[in-house]
Amino acid sequence: EPEVTQTPSHQVTQMGQEVILRCVPISNHLYFYWYRQILGQKVEFLVSFYNNEISEKSEIFDDQFSVERPDGSNFTLKIRSTKLEDSAMYFCASKVSTGGFVNQPQHFGDGTRLSIL
Amino acid sequence: DAKTTQPPSMDCAEGRAANLPCNHSTISGNEYVYWYRQIHSQGPQYIIHGLKNNETNEMASLIITEDRKSSTLILPHATLRDTAVYYCIVSGNQFYFGTGTSLTVIP
Repeated sequence: EPEVTQTPSHQVTQMGQEVILRCVPISNHLYFYWYRQILGQKVEFLVSFYNNEISEKSEIFDDQFSVERPDGSNFTLKIRSTKLEDSAMYFCASKVSTGGFVNQPQHFGDGTRLSIL
Repeated sequence: DAKTTQPPSMDCAEGRAANLPCNHSTISGNEYVYWYRQIHSQGPQYIIHGLKNNETNEMASLIITEDRKSSTLILPHATLRDTAVYYCIVSGNQFYFGTGTSLTVIP
């Protein structure tokens, strides 16, 4: 069964450095998402992306964050200048687009654990 | 914010049915009810979803009340591998997760 894959599984970065988290969504999916989960807390929505642009974003997704689909397969999340509080699991998700896209489930990757030192 | 309310924890004996309730009294007419689970810190795993009719797949059954204000996820024969946090999500597009129900299946 097709899966969403995320790399790396664990990223350790110095505070203030830029980090790029990578995701390969399921191949026929057209809607892409990033979520994060701080240790012991809820999964939080960050951003949704469709047709090469952001469709919705949360308050968490400030100017330090950006997303990109640089080619036909990858979907990336960039944090420009990392802070200690950015330490979390980051999950990528994708969803197929059909005529009734609203009712399609999102499929999640297993996440990248980001640790900011 | 999450539009759902779930009990924080439940236990279920192995081999018995696990019935996980969810309240979503403010659900809109075009919003679906989705159920996911998360084992340890893995990514949320899709289980089932529905709009207003009851649904069944190889993993579970979903019972949605007629007024759509609540639903129940049923795992018909719980196994130890079903121990996880279960999330009920009401959504049109992006997901807002609540704190879910931590289900423990007991041998």
